[in-house]
Amino acid sequence: QKEVEQNSGPLSVPEGAIASLNCTYSDRGSQSFFWYRQYSGKSPELIMSIYSNGDKEDGRFTAQLNKASQYVSLLIRDSQPSDSATYLCAVKYNNAGNMLTFGGGTRLMVKP
Amino acid sequence: GAVVSQHPSRVICKSGTSVKIECRSLDFQATTMFWYRQFPKQSLMLMATSNEGSKATYEQGVEKDKFLINHASLTLSTLTVTSAHPEDSSFYICSANRDGQTYEQYFGPGTRLTVT
Repeated sequence: QKEVEQNSGPLSVPEGAIASLNCTYSDRGSQSFFWYRQYSGKSPELIMSIYSNGDKEDGRFTAQLNKASQYVSLLIRDSQPSDSATYLCAVKYNNAGNMLTFGGGTRLMVKP
Repeated sequence: GAVVSQHPSRVICKSGTSVKIECRSLDFQATTMFWYRQFPKQSLMLMATSNEGSKATYEQGVEKDKFLINHASLTLSTLTVTSAHPEDSSFYICSANRDGQTYEQYFGPGTRLTVT
């Protein structure tokens, strides 16, 4: 069974802190990984993609990938109340066509 | 950009009627689109993969005769919920892959269906 696991949260951090969101996946051969943000009542929005081991930075967001540990994370620096949302991790598994497998999401709450 | 639109954004229908939802890629071509359903406070559930010019591929447990999918062009896929029942009330979201690109999916804004 191809799975993507995330802690459902809520993860609560104070404004200005670093929020760390984690995701594990079951297929060692996976090559493409994505983070989506979903505000309550809205559809998901792509915020980061990562394909190689290591870190990828985009503004306040950093995605980290460790294929050996089958682990991908998202760091949000200087967290703002507007970052409060559910963050979905998605993995493109081999032999799955163009389909992505989504985790259940982690709810992040940034408190002013 | 990679913009996906959905229409309608919100629909209320009576039990037993059919509802059609449109998903359009506005600034790119999409051979493959996806339809998801999401119940309150639950995660996305993939219903089907829509392929331009061919039959959709449905996930296990999704009734293909109830959820009709048509992908007649490279920018438009439609989902028709036939003989809707109150239990079909949900948030329906489409997404699209940009042809020739990697596997990012770009989501439409979603359609909230309420069946009374």
